[in-house]
Amino acid sequence: SAVISQKPSRDICQRGTSLTIQCQVDSQVTMMFWYRQQPGQSLTLIATANQGSEATYESGFVIDKFPISRPNLTFSTLTVSNMSPEDSSIYLCSASQTTYEQYFGPGTRLTVT
Amino acid sequence: LAKTTQPISMDSYEGQEVNITCSHNNIATNDYITWYQQFPSQGPRFIIQGYKTKVTNEVASLFIPADRKSSTLSLPRVSLSDTAVYYCLVGARNNNDMRFGAGTRLTVKP
Repeated sequence: SAVISQKPSRDICQRGTSLTIQCQVDSQVTMMFWYRQQPGQSLTLIATANQGSEATYESGFVIDKFPISRPNLTFSTLTVSNMSPEDSSIYLCSASQTTYEQYFGPGTRLTVT
Repeated sequence: LAKTTQPISMDSYEGQEVNITCSHNNIATNDYITWYQQFPSQGPRFIIQGYKTKVTNEVASLFIPADRKSSTLSLPRVSLSDTAVYYCLVGARNNNDMRFGAGTRLTVKP
C-alpha cells in the first residue's frame, strides 16, 4: 500500500487566479493520476501524470487549463489555471503500481468565487 | 472499456449480509474486476479485485460467475460504518484509463 498526502486540503480562490495542488506519496510508485469529483458525483479522470514526460490528458481536459508536473516517482502537482466557478470541485490524486489497485489522497476541496 | 451497471442505492440493516451486483456484459478477456469504497469527504479505497470464481479478503468477498458478465461484492455482517458509495470497475491491469461509474450508495441502518 501507499500513503498519499495532498496540499492544500481546501482553498477558496477568486476567479481568474490559479491554484497548484501538491500530491506526495510515501513510496516510489509507477503511476500517478489526477481526478475531479463534484460533491455527490462520481470521479472523473483528468490525466495520468507521467514521470519525466508530459501528462496524458483525458478528453475534455487540456494542458493549458490543468498543467501537471511529475518530477520524480513520489511527487506530482496539478495546477488549475484561470479559474472560474465551474472549477469548484474536489481534486483527488492517486498512485499505484498497477492501474486497478490505486491509493487515493484525501482530496483538495476547491471553491472558486 | 467494458461498461458497468450497478444499482444506484441500497439500504440494509446492521448485522445483515449485503450483496451488490455489477453487470459488465462486454468484459474482455484481459479485464479484471475491481471494487472501491468511498466514505464522505475521503478518497476511494481499494476493497477487492478478481478475475474469476471467488476472491475473499478480510473486508469482503467477490463472486464472479463463469461467463464473467457480472460480479457480486458481498459484505458480511455490515455495520453503520459500512455506509459508503461502492464502485465497480472493469479493465485490464496495464490499462491507464480506469473509469469510475456512478457507484452504489449503501446506507446501513441501525
